[in-house]
Amino acid sequence: GESVGLHLPTLSVQEGDNSIINCAYSNSASDYFIWYKQESGKGPQFIIDIRSNMDKRQGQRVTVLLNKTVKHLSLQIAATQPGDSAVYFCAENSLSNTGKLIFGQGTTLQVKP
Amino acid sequence: NAGVTQTPKFQVLKTGQSMTLQCAQDMNHEYMSWYRQDPGMGLRLIHYSVGAGITDQGEVPNGYNVSRSTTEDFPLRLLSAAPSQTSVYFCASSYDRGQGIGSSYEQYFGPGTRLTVT
Repeated sequence: GESVGLHLPTLSVQEGDNSIINCAYSNSASDYFIWYKQESGKGPQFIIDIRSNMDKRQGQRVTVLLNKTVKHLSLQIAATQPGDSAVYFCAENSLSNTGKLIFGQGTTLQVKP
Repeated sequence: NAGVTQTPKFQVLKTGQSMTLQCAQDMNHEYMSWYRQDPGMGLRLIHYSVGAGITDQGEVPNGYNVSRSTTEDFPLRLLSAAPSQTSVYFCASSYDRGQGIGSSYEQYFGPGTRLTVT
């Protein structure tokens, strides 16, 4: 079936370095993608999103890149901080059916001081 | 605003028992969804609703029922609990801010209900 998946289950980075978390999706009909952050014991928290008519979107310290040719999504975090330690999920959606969000497996980001 | 609230926070059931997980939002959001999250896994969509009176199935709907009689509430019913339904359940709500570049569709999640079925 169609799915959204992540390449690496765990990413360990040094504080201050940049982090890159990758995601592959398989549903070519998806036209909206979101990154979520989940801290232990909490619900997911929205970070940034991107629509399929864009290939890059920037937020505060975060950038999402979308490559529709290879169905790849990435989240870049600049100057990673200890508070960034969490599990990060990508999710895909179709804007024609915005109630149906499909999540990937998740990547654990560990920030070393 | 309280945002999205879920009750209970923890629940233990015996196999075969039924129960309802409650979810409420006070943001007048049209969309509401239920997800389950198993250890080390992402969230999987159980059921969702695009408005009062309208529900649809997600990826893993079997064993669960939902209804949406009001905009605010979206309860999830387990008809006959099974150990395979042991999981953390998250409710979420959202609204569509528009289709133009720069607009976004953000789901707000509740704190979760941790369910154990023995």
